Amino acid sequence: DTGVSQDPRHKITKRGQNVTFRCDPISEHNRLYWYRQTLGQGPEFLTYFQNEAQLEKSRLLSDRFSAERPKGSFSTLEIQRTEQGDSAMYLCASRPPREMNTEAFFGQGTRLTVV
Amino acid sequence: AQSVAQPEDQVNVAEGNPLTVKCTYSVSGNPYLFWYVQYPNRGLQFLLKYITGDNLVKGSYGFEAEFNKSQTSFHLKKPSALVSDSALYFCAVREGGATNKLIFGTGTLLAVQP
Repeated sequence: DTGVSQDPRHKITKRGQNVTFRCDPISEHNRLYWYRQTLGQGPEFLTYFQNEAQLEKSRLLSDRFSAERPKGSFSTLEIQRTEQGDSAMYLCASRPPREMNTEAFFGQGTRLTVV
Repeated sequence: AQSVAQPEDQVNVAEGNPLTVKCTYSVSGNPYLFWYVQYPNRGLQFLLKYITGDNLVKGSYGFEAEFNKSQTSFHLKKPSALVSDSALYFCAVREGGATNKLIFGTGTLLAVQP
């Protein structure tokens, strides 16, 4: 499968625990995005990486959230001290370099449930 | 700020009938518009995009969309609906600048009855 891969697909955690999600973009895609989708809403932008550099973070990304892309390939999104309001689908997307008009390719998402 | 609006939460259509899912946009400058589809508990699949050129854009699975600058609309259409088209459809506009992030609408649930 050469698409965007996310792991795990589902995560149930207790409030206050830390969770980490992984995204593997399409090979050679240097641009990577994280979005969050809550029930009944469209995806909302969280953060953007170009190679290993995190170039933009949304105000939605509180200080409990941190994202990394250490070698410019896979990315991780960590949520510390989870809250029930963090329950959502977390989507990763990637785009190739320099191609201005290409669409974003999305992974299957990680569904987080905080109990 | 860029935004899109999807005025219908749900659209119901009988199999074999034409379908339309509405989207209007508000942008400064030239719009870069997209339609994505989402099946239950899945990620988003790209359907089609308008960047420039012909106002009628053809995409995957027989879908097309008409860009209308005067009405600031980008409605998704299909001549003959299939039950398998039942899903959640999102319109999005790409924001300019360094990130080119997508701004999504709230989604429209398409239900195709057999």
